[in-house]
Amino acid sequence: DTAVSQTPKYLVTQMGNDKSIKCEQNLGHDTMYWYKQDSKKFLKIMFSYNNKELIINETVPNRFSPKSPDKAHLNLHINSLELGDSAVYFCASSQASGGHTDTQYFGPGTRLTVL
Amino acid sequence: AQSVTQPDIHITVSEGASLELRCNYSYGATPYLFWYVQSPGQGLQLLLKYFSGDTLVQGIKGFEAEFKRSQSSFNLRKPSVHWSDAAEYFCAVGAGGSYIPTFGRGTSLIVHP
Repeated sequence: DTAVSQTPKYLVTQMGNDKSIKCEQNLGHDTMYWYKQDSKKFLKIMFSYNNKELIINETVPNRFSPKSPDKAHLNLHINSLELGDSAVYFCASSQASGGHTDTQYFGPGTRLTVL
Repeated sequence: AQSVTQPDIHITVSEGASLELRCNYSYGATPYLFWYVQSPGQGLQLLLKYFSGDTLVQGIKGFEAEFKRSQSSFNLRKPSVHWSDAAEYFCAVGAGGSYIPTFGRGTSLIVHP
């Protein structure tokens, strides 16, 4: 069974559209994350969500919003897509017990292309 | 806040040769240190981690890393590289009280036959 899954794997869309990427983890972890990986492979944290506490990277545009219907899911909504949003988006989860960083389990990624 | 530097963007080695990938961190206390590998088109996978104890850490796929506090380093090593090791390698550092690790920019490993 896949530990962290994302859908879709590929997403091609036009500028100005609104899209969502879904993420589910079956590891029972308390914390989930969204990362953006650019064309130079740089991995940038976008959001961290733990026990209903949302930590936002302040550099992320407010067009991006995470939605967590329950502990196992953290979906990413993007409004008014721009060319610069093209990237690979990774969902991850970790146990993060004791209030410290722990092993991250990554999904396979969603390659978003904005035309 | 913690930070991590991977000084080598690309490393090229011949199959069967030894490998060392460099990672330097900045953090005031004892950090939590990780190495992840990303194969083409895949997500990141943990190779090994250091939280405390023995400073030489063994990981999967024959990799090891050594924590050197005096040099603020956590270099990744493998005695004999296989072609399947070609991938992107990320060092990450975490801190107590934070759920969010900081990743380095990655080192791309190219393996020649």
